Amino acid sequence: DGGITQSPKYLFRKEGQNVTLSCEQNLNHDAMYWYRQDPGQGLRLIYYSQIVNDFQKGDIAEGYSVSREKKESFPLTVTSAQKNPTAFYLCASSPYRQTANYGYTFGSGTRLTVV
Amino acid sequence: QKEVEQNSGPLSVPEGAIASLNCTYSDRGSQSFFWYRQYSGKSPELIMSIYSNGDKEDGRFTAQLNKASQYVSLLIRDSQPSDSATYLCAVIYNNNDMRFGAGTRLTVKP
Repeated sequence: DGGITQSPKYLFRKEGQNVTLSCEQNLNHDAMYWYRQDPGQGLRLIYYSQIVNDFQKGDIAEGYSVSREKKESFPLTVTSAQKNPTAFYLCASSPYRQTANYGYTFGSGTRLTVV
Repeated sequence: QKEVEQNSGPLSVPEGAIASLNCTYSDRGSQSFFWYRQYSGKSPELIMSIYSNGDKEDGRFTAQLNKASQYVSLLIRDSQPSDSATYLCAVIYNNNDMRFGAGTRLTVKP
């Protein structure tokens, strides 16, 4: 079955620690996205990538970093510079330049908590 | 600013009633519109897409689009308790940039 796999499902971060969230897709989609969702709020775009080895900042990129070395993978690192990282993180993908026709496919999400 | 506005709710309807969810958007040039359903603690799942003015029906769901009024809605007929979720409206800007509303929380009471 094609889909997007996010891991881990739950992640706990200590103050000052960097953590990396995994996102892997086997849908052969070119575009991949990272969103953050806080309780009672909508989705806010962190980073997106439309092709391998290229990515752009979204609306709230500060304190986050990404890489896109393979088409299938788009990991997100939450750095210690992100002062309020507790949130639900969603990875999504879409066919290149076909978002308007197909929308996004979402992974199951990673819930990050600072302890 | 590209905005998508939804009434956050909560919207409560009795089982069997019609639930009406509304969304407005700011960019008159938008061409594609989506409704996602998100259960608590889960990721959004696509339930409807609409591109042309008018109604689009899929089972108990009907999406309605009025580009002149920059308004899109979702009707759920014969609402069931399993429809209780948050419904996210999403609008495509510039062909690939998808913006989401904050969502409307729907509760269907047995």
